Amino acid sequence: SAVISQKPSRDICQRGTSLTIQCQVDSQVTMMFWYRQQPGQSLTLIATANQGSEATYESGFVIDKFPISRPNLTFSTLTVSNMSPEDSSIYLCSVSRTGRSYEQYFGPGTRLTVT
Amino acid sequence: AQSVTQLDSHVSVSEGTPVLLRCNYSSSYSPSLFWYVQHPNKGLQLLLKYTSAATLVKGINGFEAEFKKSETSFHLTKPSAHMSDAAEYFCVVSVETGNQFYFGTGTSLTVIP
Repeated sequence: SAVISQKPSRDICQRGTSLTIQCQVDSQVTMMFWYRQQPGQSLTLIATANQGSEATYESGFVIDKFPISRPNLTFSTLTVSNMSPEDSSIYLCSVSRTGRSYEQYFGPGTRLTVT
Repeated sequence: AQSVTQLDSHVSVSEGTPVLLRCNYSSSYSPSLFWYVQHPNKGLQLLLKYTSAATLVKGINGFEAEFKKSETSFHLTKPSAHMSDAAEYFCVVSVETGNQFYFGTGTSLTVIP
């Protein structure tokens, strides 16, 4: 398995501001992912964070709104830019080691409220 | 294309009775299938996984699931529900060629004392 931490665990932000969420893994991993879980909903993949290259975004998510960094094999950040109340969600990062049957391990999540 | 359908958004059982959470999948490739559990205000925990080995998969906390290709199903079961099983359960499909996960909409399990 992998131990994943996220910072902050929760935050309340004002409309129009930006928040950067950090994801740290206790060992090197190939793949890192960012998900959004809106209130009472399932998880939706935002993007795959690739080390050494730009992130790959899913339909409906764009880099200007959710810029992602992946400077090394144990760390990634997701920024939620120009926030609106609709961005209020739990944001989760997950990791996967290629060759480990593709199972993903999830961080505890960051609960974001935008007022 | 890959997708997962969880047939019940809410399931309620009495403590000590069997649990059945239903999941059907659609996949163009040989799928890997997973069940995750999310307790209130907690992260996602892997319950079990199917990756083309034995079709009956045993997981943690007494849960198991059976992969039925003919029915494209991967239902989660437990013989006897415990109060601590109350949580949200997600069925997930992935494909051999990549690491992308496709989540079902979740099933909320309530256990009645």
